[in-house]
Order: sequence, then structure tokens, then C-alpha cells
Amino acid sequence: GAGVSQSPRYKVAKRGQDVALRCDPISGHVSLFWYQQALGQGPEFLTYFQNEAQLDKSGLPSDRFFAERPEGSVSTLKIQRTQQEDSAVYLCASCPNTGELFFGEGSRLTVL
Amino acid sequence: QKEVEQNSGPLSVPEGAIASLNCTYSDRGSQSFFWYRQYSGKSPELIMFIYSNGDKEDGRFTAQLNKASQYVSLLIRDSQPSDSATYLCAVSFVYGNKLVFGAGTILRVKS
Repeated sequence: GAGVSQSPRYKVAKRGQDVALRCDPISGHVSLFWYQQALGQGPEFLTYFQNEAQLDKSGLPSDRFFAERPEGSVSTLKIQRTQQEDSAVYLCASCPNTGELFFGEGSRLTVL
Repeated sequence: QKEVEQNSGPLSVPEGAIASLNCTYSDRGSQSFFWYRQYSGKSPELIMFIYSNGDKEDGRFTAQLNKASQYVSLLIRDSQPSDSATYLCAVSFVYGNKLVFGAGTILRVKS
């Protein structure tokens, strides 16, 4: 596809459930980023991949958050034992190493 | 401590006026500076980027960077109601590495 594709667009989870969010970046983009955006706030960095290597995971809020990009293209962000404070929009962005991020439409997670 | 600061607004300007959006950053080693626009319920989209001190113009948009003052701004000339959105300032310390975003400034252009 032409842009960054994320799925699901909307996810409602009961507290304690595990969720998996998928990101399909723009073809050929080496770098992939995950951000978390709470209502009324700017995106907060979670983690960053260059190809399949996870180079920075300093923004992951707890060990319940895990991201992978095993073949250097599609990435999955997994959240285990979801909590209400995990409710947010999760944005994926890819970058052709020019510094400009191209964002997907996001996955809106609501934890009840 | 927040690394990128923006006035949350809302900033209200009449149609046709110049809107001025400001951003300060804390890391003197920052290399790259970006302005994103985000409509309600949508993802951020890149408007402009600037790497060097001075002004950079693109259509109705001008980005201004002053590294000595750690300040970057975005001017929107001839503001239109369709410019009403949240404007996010983002800063990168290392070229191609993660962007740190401000909380955004809400702009409202009134017709």
C-alpha cells in the first residue's frame, strides 16, 4: 500500500486481557516507530526499530509492553494484562531515514 | 521535565490573518525540527521540517529556527478555516532517530 497501515483501528479490551496491534509500514522504509498518544497530548515515544533490530525501547511504560519486527517489515505491539491507563491511540510511523515520520491512522485502544 | 514545550492554546485568529505558533526545546544538541498538523481524530501529518538556523518557506507556511535561543516557530499566512487543527512541534537529537513531540497548540481560524 501507499501509506502506513495499522490494524485494528479500534479495540475494546477488558482489563487484564492481552492485545496485539499490527503495523504495516511503507515499503522500503528502514525505520519504524511506535508512539502512544493520550487524549489532548502529543505522541509519546515507545520504541524504535531499524530493520528487525529494536534499537530503542526506552519509552515502553512497563514490562507488559512488548514490540517486535521479526522480518524487518511488519511490526506488532503487544500489551499484556491491559490496564485502564493503557487506553490511548497507538500510532505507528515509518521513516526512510530522512528524519521525517509518516504516520498510520492509529489504533485506538479502550480498556474497560 | 518536558523536552519540547508548546502553548496549548487555543490560538484564535480571523480568516486571512497570520497565525504564529511557537515551540521551545531543552536539548541544545537537537538537530532536526518538524511541524506536524493533526486534525481531530486523525493522525499527524508532516507540514515542514527545518535543520538550519533561519527561515524556510513553503507556500503559506514559514518555519523559523533559532538554535541559540532553542526556539522554533511556524507562521501560517492567509489563515483559512481548514487550517484549524492541532499543530505539533517535534524535535530530533539524532538525524533519523526518534522525534520528541510537544503537546501541541490548538489553532482555530474563524471565518
